[in-house]
Amino acid sequence: DAGVTQSPTHLIKTRGQQVTLRCSPKSGHDTVSWYQQALGQGPQFIFQYYEEEERQRGNFPDRFSGHQFPNYSSELNVNALLLGDSALYLCASSFFTGGFNYGYTFGSGTRLTVV
Amino acid sequence: AQSVAQPEDQVNVAEGNPLTVKCTYSVSGNPYLFWYVQYPNRGLQFLLKYITGDNLVKGSYGFEAEFNKSQTSFHLKKPSALVSDSALYFCAVRDTGGSSNTGKLIFGQGTTLQVKP
Repeated sequence: DAGVTQSPTHLIKTRGQQVTLRCSPKSGHDTVSWYQQALGQGPQFIFQYYEEEERQRGNFPDRFSGHQFPNYSSELNVNALLLGDSALYLCASSFFTGGFNYGYTFGSGTRLTVV
Repeated sequence: AQSVAQPEDQVNVAEGNPLTVKCTYSVSGNPYLFWYVQYPNRGLQFLLKYITGDNLVKGSYGFEAEFNKSQTSFHLKKPSALVSDSALYFCAVRDTGGSSNTGKLIFGQGTTLQVKP
């Protein structure tokens, strides 16, 4: 049973560029959440997608956007990259039922470096 | 606002000794609490969770955690530490606030556990 798959594992971009990160959820999961983990910090919630819609958003600017596809996979897009966007981006999948998300499973993350 | 605090940046313990990694929380309503471990350049691995029931929760790799409602704490413990337990540990609480209850996780800053031979 495959877990959460993220690609690419590492990425180096230049300030001002745009980047797309990808996530395939664990089999049976229908919800994808994205987190940003800056160096030395705990993960911070970016947003969550369910039924191809953004359900909740954390305190991140509009430069951060996402998408969920019919097969539940998801993309995180960041425009106009800043040096401060350098971080580990984690995808977590879960199963939503009865008004709750159950069983968060995290991927290994994408390490984004902005130079 | 709901939050999680991990008061220690680093915990050092000798192999074979018991370990404790501390976590306190602040939530409205009943807390859903989690512990995750992160090895270098890796994602988060689930260790254990408290939803309801017994205050002592047993998890993966011999870890356990004690839920204390009066002290709003959820400390991670292990009776006998291994060198391979050395990693970064995160405590998290599921957000129960807001009109859109996605149950997002709110994480502490993390505690580095160093187990020395």
